[in-house]
Amino acid sequence: AAGVIQSPRHLIKEKRETATLKCYPIPRHDTVYWYQQGPGQDPQFLISFYEKMQSDKGSIPDRFSAQQFSDYHSELNMSSLELGDSALYFCASSLGGLAALGEQYFGPGTRLTVT
Amino acid sequence: AQTVTQSQPEMSVQEAETVTLSCTYDTSESDYYLFWYKQPPSRQMILVIRQEAYKQQNATENRFSVNFQKAAKSFSLKISDSQLGDAAMYFCGANFGNEKLTFGTGTRLTIIP
Repeated sequence: AAGVIQSPRHLIKEKRETATLKCYPIPRHDTVYWYQQGPGQDPQFLISFYEKMQSDKGSIPDRFSAQQFSDYHSELNMSSLELGDSALYFCASSLGGLAALGEQYFGPGTRLTVT
Repeated sequence: AQTVTQSQPEMSVQEAETVTLSCTYDTSESDYYLFWYKQPPSRQMILVIRQEAYKQQNATENRFSVNFQKAAKSFSLKISDSQLGDAAMYFCGANFGNEKLTFGTGTRLTIIP
């Protein structure tokens, strides 16, 4: 079965650079979530989109922005990168309101290292 | 505030034995969903089991079962017949009605051969 695809899987950037992370949800899933997991920490919710509209927002820095496109894939744009942005970034997808039932599928994550 | 707390940073169990991981939460919602996710060294987040708060019956998935105590806001995970492949970080998570997941800080489970 098709899973959530994230690209790239690994990314190394320098401070003050920009990074773009991409997420391709499971086919027919219309909701995308972004989570950030720092070293030794639990995943923290950043932002979510439903039908291309932002549906919820968590602790996402102003330097970050995200959007969901017409084909439901999503991109997380991160500017003015800081060392503290080094983390594993997960994307998860679900079909509409089924996320509440546990039907939220995680991608493999993008490991971002800022040097 | 809606929070999830895991008070056991690390646990270990002998292979084939049973282990219980603890989780408590806080919410004023009456309807919510609770989950246990497994994160092996690959860092993939894998759903292990889920529980709907309105259901009194404890969820079970093969060797994994939960003890859900709604009044005490407790949601523990029991792993029976532990296997080497169960070694991982386990995160307790909750959906308090707004779809996003809130996680605890995790419990690292070690399986002793």
